[in-house]
Amino acid sequence: GNSVTQMEGPVTLSEEAFLTINCTYTATGYPSLFWYVQYPGEGLQLLLKATKADDKGSNKGFEATYRKETTSFHLEKGSVQVSDSAVYFCALTLNAGNNRKLIWGLGTSLAVNP
Amino acid sequence: DAGITQSPRYKITETGRQVTLMCHQTWSHSYMFWYRQDLGHGLRLIYYSAAADITDKGEVPDGYVVSRSKTENFPLTLESATRSQTSVYFCASSAGQGYQETQYFGPGTRLLVL
Repeated sequence: GNSVTQMEGPVTLSEEAFLTINCTYTATGYPSLFWYVQYPGEGLQLLLKATKADDKGSNKGFEATYRKETTSFHLEKGSVQVSDSAVYFCALTLNAGNNRKLIWGLGTSLAVNP
Repeated sequence: DAGITQSPRYKITETGRQVTLMCHQTWSHSYMFWYRQDLGHGLRLIYYSAAADITDKGEVPDGYVVSRSKTENFPLTLESATRSQTSVYFCASSAGQGYQETQYFGPGTRLLVL
C-alpha cells in the first residue's frame, strides 16, 4: 500500500548544527511530496513541497529533493535555530482519483538547544 | 483575513455526551478535512468533504458524524463521546485545484473525555 516512513525522534541538536530528517515513501504512480511543520501549540503549516522527480523544495533555509530512484524526500537545513524546534511531518498525495487526501508520516520531533 | 478557525479550542466532556467541534474557513475552499492527532499515531483522517453536501469517510470514522451544508463550515460531532476520543482535533481545507496543493490547518481543538 501507499505509505510514508520518517525517522523516529526526538532529534536534539545544538544551535547552528546541520539537520537531516529522513523520509522515504511507498506509492503507486507519481506522488507529490510535502513537508509540514507543527510549532508547539499550533496547527500544521506547509514548509515545502515537490511535485515531480528531481524537484527541490525550499523554504526558510530548509530543503528537500524528490528522489524517485531512492523513493526519498529527506529534509535538510544547514544551520538550525532554536526557533526551528517543532514537529516535522512528511506526507504525500497520489496523483490519481478524485480525493485530495494526504498520506502522513508519524512526525519527527526536533529540539534545538541554545 | 481570518483563514481557518476552530471552536472551542479546549473542551472537557463526559463519556456518553454529544460534542460538536466547529470549523470555519473564509477562503471558499472546496475541500475540508478533519484529523485527529494522537501520540504514536501521527495524524489520522476522520472525514473529508469535497464540496457542500459531499462527505466521505477517512481512516477512523467510527463514532463521528459530519455535515457540510455550507462551503465554509464543516462541523464534527461525537455522538456519544468515549475516552478513546480524547485527542487533539484539527480541521484543514484546500482549494481542490490539484494534487500538489497545500492543505491549510486550523489551530486545533483539545478534547478531553472523562
